[in-house]
Amino acid sequence: GNSVTQMEGPVTLSEEAFLTINCTYTATGYPSLFWYVQYPGEGLQLLLKATKADDKGSNKGFEATYRKETTSFHLEKGSVQVSDSAVYFCALSSTNAGKSTFGDGTTLTVKP
Amino acid sequence: SQTIHQWPATLVQPVGSPLSLECTVEGTSNPNLYWYRQAAGRGLQLLFYSVGIGQISSEVPQNLSASRPQDRQFILSSKKLLLSDSGFYLCAWSSGTQFYEQYFGPGTRLTVT
Repeated sequence: GNSVTQMEGPVTLSEEAFLTINCTYTATGYPSLFWYVQYPGEGLQLLLKATKADDKGSNKGFEATYRKETTSFHLEKGSVQVSDSAVYFCALSSTNAGKSTFGDGTTLTVKP
Repeated sequence: SQTIHQWPATLVQPVGSPLSLECTVEGTSNPNLYWYRQAAGRGLQLLFYSVGIGQISSEVPQNLSASRPQDRQFILSSKKLLLSDSGFYLCAWSSGTQFYEQYFGPGTRLTVT
């Protein structure tokens, strides 16, 4: 079956530091890949997506590239802000009713 | 534009009481609908999903059930709550014509006492 493995947290960074959250996946076929963000007490929001190999998703300074050869979709941001503090989920979807498989989430705390 | 609503936002219920959580989607038709549970500090657990009215697939056997009486309405129910049912319940929808990114509601915080 499909699976997503995320870098374990929590991750604590200082403001303006570089962020990487690793994500690798196992899937049959050609899934779409996503990063979602969850702020405290809220639902998840789609942060970015990539739908085929070598696609780069980007949004709000975050980027991730769909690497089929390494089955990875690592999230990066060059300079984090305090407002980026949240839980980040890597996910993939297949064509089975659009069911998504989520990683366990990585909690990011950015300190001023 | 599409919006998703969930209510109530918070709920405190005694063990053994019934449960009904409601989710509605506006601005789209024939969405795929999902119920997830998120325990404190944990990831998402898919409970149910639906591809159409009256079509429900259960992912995890438990004392919860789901129904989809209308195209854009998804209800999560229980006849008798357990302490272990406490958690953050999230409803989500996706479109069958897109790449299945999911759009989540604001969630319901359920505490069973």
